[in-house]
Amino acid sequence: QDQLVESGGGVVQPGRSLRLSCAPSGFTFSSYVMHWVRQTPGKRLEWVTMIWHDGSKEYYADSVKGRFTISRDNSKNTLYLEMNSLRVEDTAIYYCARGNVGAFDLWGQGTMVTVSS
Amino acid sequence: IVLTQSPGTLSLSPGERATLSCRASQSISTVYIAWYQQKPGQAPRLLIYGASSRAPDIPDRFSGSGSGTDFTLTISRLEPEDCAVYYCQHYGSSPMYTFGQGTKLEIK
Repeated sequence: QDQLVESGGGVVQPGRSLRLSCAPSGFTFSSYVMHWVRQTPGKRLEWVTMIWHDGSKEYYADSVKGRFTISRDNSKNTLYLEMNSLRVEDTAIYYCARGNVGAFDLWGQGTMVTVSS
Repeated sequence: IVLTQSPGTLSLSPGERATLSCRASQSISTVYIAWYQQKPGQAPRLLIYGASSRAPDIPDRFSGSGSGTDFTLTISRLEPEDCAVYYCQHYGSSPMYTFGQGTKLEIK
């Protein structure tokens, strides 16, 4: 069964860093575009970033550009999100999601990131 | 592109039909419109992609339609388990992915 499992969330002070991981299973990870999508406490969904199947291209939402970095290690079957200079407004549940025909066809259970002093 | 969903909340009885609207701020391609269902405490689940194609294992009670700026998710013969928040989503150039604010469906 296709599955995504995120980890690495927690409580962090503004300006600090955090790294999230996502472990896929049940499908050929290296064949898919992967994304990070976040959901704010107000339940709004926001696309954060994506990476091509081979890691050759990355795209970011303007709200995180220059602060967040997406990466993947296909040999280790893992997706990462490095988050630097965190802000209070980055507080959200972070989901990794598999990309397919312009949609997100598989989601993880999410990991909570709280940015607070 | 901004996606606006209506109504904000919909309250219907089992067996009734639900019609959820998603309006785009400008005309968009149907290829990249999707709908998701999110139940409390769970991640979103893909229901519809390409405006009208059902994702695997999604019951045929769920259907999508629309073009241009107006898109609709229809749930026929509502069941108690359909109680959830439903989101529309668009994929545009750049690339950029945009979500609507969601419609909460309550089953009486």
